[in-house]
Parts: sequence; C-alpha cells; structure tokens
Amino acid sequence: GQSLEQPSEVTAVEGAIVQINCTYQTSGFYGLSWYQQHDGGAPTFLSYNALDGLEETGRFSSFLSRSDSYGYLLLQELQMKDSASYFCAVRGRGGKLIFGQGTELSVKP
Amino acid sequence: EAGVVQSPRYKIIEKKQPVAFWCNPISGHNTLYWYLQNLGQGPELLIRYENEEAVDDSQLPKDRFSAERLKGVDSTLKIQPAELGDSAVYLCASSLGSGGTYNEQFFGPGTRLTVL
Repeated sequence: GQSLEQPSEVTAVEGAIVQINCTYQTSGFYGLSWYQQHDGGAPTFLSYNALDGLEETGRFSSFLSRSDSYGYLLLQELQMKDSASYFCAVRGRGGKLIFGQGTELSVKP
Repeated sequence: EAGVVQSPRYKIIEKKQPVAFWCNPISGHNTLYWYLQNLGQGPELLIRYENEEAVDDSQLPKDRFSAERLKGVDSTLKIQPAELGDSAVYLCASSLGSGGTYNEQFFGPGTRLTVL
C-alpha cells in the first residue's frame, strides 16, 4: 500500500519559522511535492524534490531524504497569508500524485 | 495565460440525480487529471488522460462515474446516479506531460458538489 503521514495542524506566530514533516511509504517513488491550498481555493505548487537535499525558493524550502522516506517543508518569516493547508504528495509512475491528508497551518499575529 | 477553468463552481442536487462537471485545461497541456477532495483530506486521483486516452482510471468508480476527453482538450466528468457520499470537491488539473522531467500540475478551482 501507499501512505503518507503529516501533522494535522500546526500553529505559529508571524515572523517565526515552521517545519512541516512528511513521512511516506510507497512503491515507485519518483519524488516529493508540496502544495499549498487556501480555504476554498485550488492547490498550488510550492516545490518538488527528486533527489536528497534541500531546495530553496524564497521563504520556502523543502528537504528530502529518500533513505529515510522523509521530507519536510520549511516556511520562514511567516506571514498571515501563509495560513493555509499544506500537502505533501508522492510522485509515482506516470506523474501520478498521491497526497497526504494535509497540515493546516495557522499563523497568529 | 489563463489557468485551468472549471464549471460550475458549485452544484447542489438531490440523490439519484445525474451531474456533470466540465474542465478546460491550460492550453498546450497534454495531461489532464480529475481528483476528488473530501473535506479535510488531500486530493485523490480519479482518472488521468494523456491527450484523449484515459491511461489511469483505476480509482474511478465505474458503476456510476464516467469521464471523457474526446478531442484531447477539455473534459467532462459525470456521475449518474449521485449518492450522498459523492458530496465533495471535484478538482481538475493539467500538466504539459506526465513522464520524464517533473511536470508541475496546475489545479483548477474545483466544483463543490452537495448531494441532498
């Protein structure tokens, strides 16, 4: 079977740093993606890791360790607009994405 | 550049009625996906098209769900008859391709279906 685990919710304050972890069990692993989804909105792509290591895009960074079946999304200098749900998703064969259940991030003033 | 377009945005129907959702992907995107998203859950793939061919429909409940992408551009997802448990958001996504180098999937805003 295939499964992903991530915390259901995380709370942090403006300006802080938060890390959202994701562990996975899957066959045919090609990479790990992260998506952001605001309430009632479309999921939007944040990052993709195919190889081990850290990928940085502005305030957001994503890390992957294939040997540990583990990744995380790091959000720095949190802003109120970062309050949203964050999904990790394993990319399988044929580009298929298998999503985790999502982490709801609440950023407090 | 226009994003993925879906209609309607909201649909309320009574159980046992049919319903259809429409999706127009980003121009030039060969791969089209339909996902189902239940409240508080991540999207789950229903079907993937490469041009007009359905290449992965293993998660599509074929007794009541059907989909088509006749000319390899826009697509329709149908449920007939709808059941109470079908209440969810139906998301369409598209990408340039699905193999080789990673191709980002772009999602539409979804259709929120409520079955009464």
